[in-house]
Amino acid sequence: SAVISQKPSRDICQRGTSLTIQCQVDSQVTMMFWYRQQPGQSLTLIATANQGSEATYESGFVIDKFPISRPNLTFSTLTVSNMSPEDSSIYLCSVVPGLVISEQYFGPGTRLTVT
Amino acid sequence: AQRVTQPEKLLSVFKGAPVELKCNYSYSGSPELFWYVQYSRQRLQLLLRHISRESIKGFTADLNKGETSFHLKKPFAQEEDSAMYYCALSPKGAQKLVFGQGTRLTINP
Repeated sequence: SAVISQKPSRDICQRGTSLTIQCQVDSQVTMMFWYRQQPGQSLTLIATANQGSEATYESGFVIDKFPISRPNLTFSTLTVSNMSPEDSSIYLCSVVPGLVISEQYFGPGTRLTVT
Repeated sequence: AQRVTQPEKLLSVFKGAPVELKCNYSYSGSPELFWYVQYSRQRLQLLLRHISRESIKGFTADLNKGETSFHLKKPFAQEEDSAMYYCALSPKGAQKLVFGQGTRLTINP
């Protein structure tokens, strides 16, 4: 298993600003992902954070809006840039310790409100 | 495109009654399917996957390729089963999960 922490746990931000969310794992993991869960909606994959290279984004998500870093096998950041109220969501980090995609562990999430 | 549909946003049953949470998927190949659960104030966690054909906490789910369904069932609901349940699909060869909308299950005493 893996223990995942996210910072901040919640934040209220003004539109036009940016917020960086951190995800820290207690052990080295193969894969790290970032999801968004908008109010009343399901989890939507934003991107796969690749260690030492650019993240792989899903359709509808772009690097300029959601830059991601993954400097090592235990840490990643997601930045929500130039925020608007539509970015108000819970942002979740998840990890896969091995190679089995279903063995995915989720962080506690970051609840973002944009005013 | 892959899609997972959970037609019921809310489901309420009495303790001891059978439970069935519906999940239908759209995928041209052979997917891997999972159920995730999120209890109140806890993180999302894996409940079961179709490959292992296991029963977890009394829950089972059978993959029906003809009906493209993966319904979650339990014969006798317990109050501690109250939670949010998500059906998820992993396309073959793809390292990602596609989630359904989720069903909030409430077990009434």
